[in-house]
Amino acid sequence: DSGVTQTPKHLITATGQRVTLRCSPRSGDLSVYWYQQSLDQGLQFLIHYYNGEERAKGNILERFSAQQFPDLHSELNLSSLELGDSALYFCASSAHGGGDEQFFGPGTRLTVL
Amino acid sequence: DQQVKQNSPSLSVQEGRISILNCDYTNSMFDYFLWYKKYPAEGPTFLISISSIKDKNEDGRFTVFLNKSAKHLSLHIVPSQPGDSAVYFCAASAQTASKLTFGTGTRLQVTL
Repeated sequence: DSGVTQTPKHLITATGQRVTLRCSPRSGDLSVYWYQQSLDQGLQFLIHYYNGEERAKGNILERFSAQQFPDLHSELNLSSLELGDSALYFCASSAHGGGDEQFFGPGTRLTVL
Repeated sequence: DQQVKQNSPSLSVQEGRISILNCDYTNSMFDYFLWYKKYPAEGPTFLISISSIKDKNEDGRFTVFLNKSAKHLSLHIVPSQPGDSAVYFCAASAQTASKLTFGTGTRLQVTL
């Protein structure tokens, strides 16, 4: 158990809909990262928040957004969902602002029908 | 552009023997490297890391070797155990950057 929690574990929705994925980092960690793993692909970095502020963006679509709240939990919002958004979404946390070990949650499996 | 490459999608090793997983990178800015293990339906689990100022790091049965001139790192598992069967991801980062760049993974199967 990494100490990072993600909810929900599974999510099934339809095209055009909007969903919110939630992540709670390990106790004491200030950084939260979001990654996407599509079928047969490695993990792709989406976005990084540090202590409530956006630090870096990867290949995140404009339809996707995220935020980190004062209690350090984070939410990833996916809107106008398309079939191709079906993937595993992982949240990770680390103690500092980058360049250190990241600890991953169990992931949310999103299926868009 | 795949900056971190794991060219072997799968590897099968007998229990008790050595497992060697390889990883190549192209970005000279990478200075921190990590290995993660992933079981199905679980998130990646951090295994071991190495900074570019070292060429070897050891933790129990796991040793990571870094060859900076060749831009190559490897993970050695000795002795291999059936519980080691999983997908192993190599990842790299630059100290100034946030993200980890992952390889596509190598599926290790340790047979009896």
